[in-house]
Amino acid sequence: SQTIHQWPATLVQPVGSPLSLECTVEGTSNPNLYWYRQAAGRGLQLLFYSVGIGQISSEVPQNLSASRPQDRQFILSSKKLLLSDSGFYLCACPLRSQLASDYGYTFGSGTRLTVV
Amino acid sequence: RKEVEQDPGPFNVPEGATVAFNCTYSNSASQSFFWYRQDCRKEPKLLMSVYSSGNEDGRFTAQLNRASQYISLLIRDSKLSDSATYLCVVNKALRGSYIPTFGRGTSLIVHP
Repeated sequence: SQTIHQWPATLVQPVGSPLSLECTVEGTSNPNLYWYRQAAGRGLQLLFYSVGIGQISSEVPQNLSASRPQDRQFILSSKKLLLSDSGFYLCACPLRSQLASDYGYTFGSGTRLTVV
Repeated sequence: RKEVEQDPGPFNVPEGATVAFNCTYSNSASQSFFWYRQDCRKEPKLLMSVYSSGNEDGRFTAQLNRASQYISLLIRDSKLSDSATYLCVVNKALRGSYIPTFGRGTSLIVHP
């Protein structure tokens, strides 16, 4: 089964600083990959998803960007962080092939970002 | 209208109680449905998939009503360890891919 690795687990960054969060997947090839953000006390908001290398779809306009340089690597970036970027960032992929939609999704352990 | 709506709660119940959560979704083209559990400051974890025929896993029963566009989760004989936030997830087909959309979650507190 798939395993998602995310790092770092916790991050404190000043406003205006850059950001790079990495997500890598084991146990599958060419998975759909998703970045979510969960603000304090809020639900999961889909930020980006990718169906393959170099293919990124953005769901919410913001100062974040995503890239998929390799099949099992998904990166979330920002050139200048805002206070509103604070939150719990989660990477996810399907538990089975993306063609099998009934099996659900698995998540990495997340990165808790605080912008100060 | 939000795509996936849940009562945020909290639902505060004693051990041994039966508790039910509902979730409504707005996109009739939604393909598949799930309940996730999220503990405080942790990632969500899959609890169970939800099928039109209904499905049961131990003390947990999930049901889907496509006509009314809602799904439900029933927890019987609640345990202290059931305290968590329960997320309703709706999988929709979009541009040739599946996109999971999450509700905000329903908080459950089981007390002695």
